[in-house]
Amino acid sequence: DVKVTQSSRYLVKRTGEKVFLECVQDMDHENMFWYRQDPGLGLRLIYFSYDVKMKEKGDIPEGYSVSREKKERFSLILESTSTNQTSMYLCASRPTGPIIHQTQYFGPGTRLLVL
Amino acid sequence: GQSLEQPSEVTAVEGAIVQINCTYQTSGFYGLSWYQQHDGGAPTFLSYNALDGLEETGRFSSFLSRSDSYGYLLLQELQMKDSASYFCAVLGGEYGNKLVFGAGTILRVKS
Repeated sequence: DVKVTQSSRYLVKRTGEKVFLECVQDMDHENMFWYRQDPGLGLRLIYFSYDVKMKEKGDIPEGYSVSREKKERFSLILESTSTNQTSMYLCASRPTGPIIHQTQYFGPGTRLLVL
Repeated sequence: GQSLEQPSEVTAVEGAIVQINCTYQTSGFYGLSWYQQHDGGAPTFLSYNALDGLEETGRFSSFLSRSDSYGYLLLQELQMKDSASYFCAVLGGEYGNKLVFGAGTILRVKS
């Protein structure tokens, strides 16, 4: 059973603080993703990584950075939080394989509130 | 870039059939996926269409027309537990490793 875990379920931070959101998957998946989810906007891709130390920008990378030093771990970094980064952050992973098998597994999410 | 359009809300009664449409504009299309998300939960995979046609999985079916950049999710014999948000998502990117989601459709099932 695939498991994707995220370091925190809820976080409250003040504007300007640095935040690390960690994601770990236990199924040796090559691809990992960070999304943010906001009402009416669905899931928007922030960054993704298809291999260790590799990263690609998604649709809304501004204000975020990522780190993938180990295959199982993908971190999202908010260097200086702002109130517009208040959101639900979802991590996901997916294996590289036959295109037909494209199930993406999500973690439980981290709800971040920036005051 | 990629964009997806789906209705924001759909309401149906128990036992009915409902269809959630999705149109997309994308570069580098590999397939269309559907995900379900209950309130407070994580999205979970429902189906994936890489080729034109209908894929059936129990009460749920998904359809794709690549020439029309259109797909739909069909839910039959609706149950109260089907009340959730449903997202279509396009698999694209240079190597087919980027999944981009629509804004989601809230399905409300009434008794």
